[in-house]
Amino acid sequence: DTAVSQTPKYLVTQMGNDKSIKCEQNLGHDTMYWYKQDSKKFLKIMFSYNNKELIINETVPNRFSPKSPDKAHLNLHINSLELGDSAVYFCASSQDYTSGNEQFFGPGTRLTVL
Amino acid sequence: QQQVKQSPQSLIVQKGGISIINCAYENTAFDYFPWYQQFPGKGPALLIAIRPDVSEKKEGRFTISFNKSAKQFSLHIMDSQPGDSATYFCAADRLGSARQLTFGSGTQLTVLP
Repeated sequence: DTAVSQTPKYLVTQMGNDKSIKCEQNLGHDTMYWYKQDSKKFLKIMFSYNNKELIINETVPNRFSPKSPDKAHLNLHINSLELGDSAVYFCASSQDYTSGNEQFFGPGTRLTVL
Repeated sequence: QQQVKQSPQSLIVQKGGISIINCAYENTAFDYFPWYQQFPGKGPALLIAIRPDVSEKKEGRFTISFNKSAKQFSLHIMDSQPGDSATYFCAADRLGSARQLTFGSGTQLTVLP
């Protein structure tokens, strides 16, 4: 059983297109996150949601819009893709957003913008 | 502004040796320090974590040493094995508030057989 799953695993697209990445967790966690890992493997948080409500929104361009239809899902929609958006995007979840509970990461989605 | 600085960027160790990765943080509000292990093509996975009320935490071959006054913490991997070859990230967070893990830049560890 996969705890945190993401689709697709690979995404290759042209500049200017709009794309979405889906994330689902079956751990019963309340909090979900999106992270971006750049080509140098640097990991940075983008968003966090708790029970479908936005908690953290880092300085991410408005072209990125997360959507949480329920607490088990957090999708990431990206408009007008740019070359600099190429990265690996990780979804993660944790029991809640205030304690030191472990964050469980998904396998990642490698986005390549041509 | 990089709030968590990690070194070295890469590390090569012989099988059976000790691997040491160091991190330093700036924000004194941080009070939770996890280490994550990432294998190629996979997401990071929690390896071990420490809170600043203790100076050391050990789990099997993995030990975190924490120096609050110096604002530094390190990961020691004893008896390193080829299967330990991965990228290791230190991180820092503030408990009791909206969690926002701040990661170090990562260390690529290679353990030679």
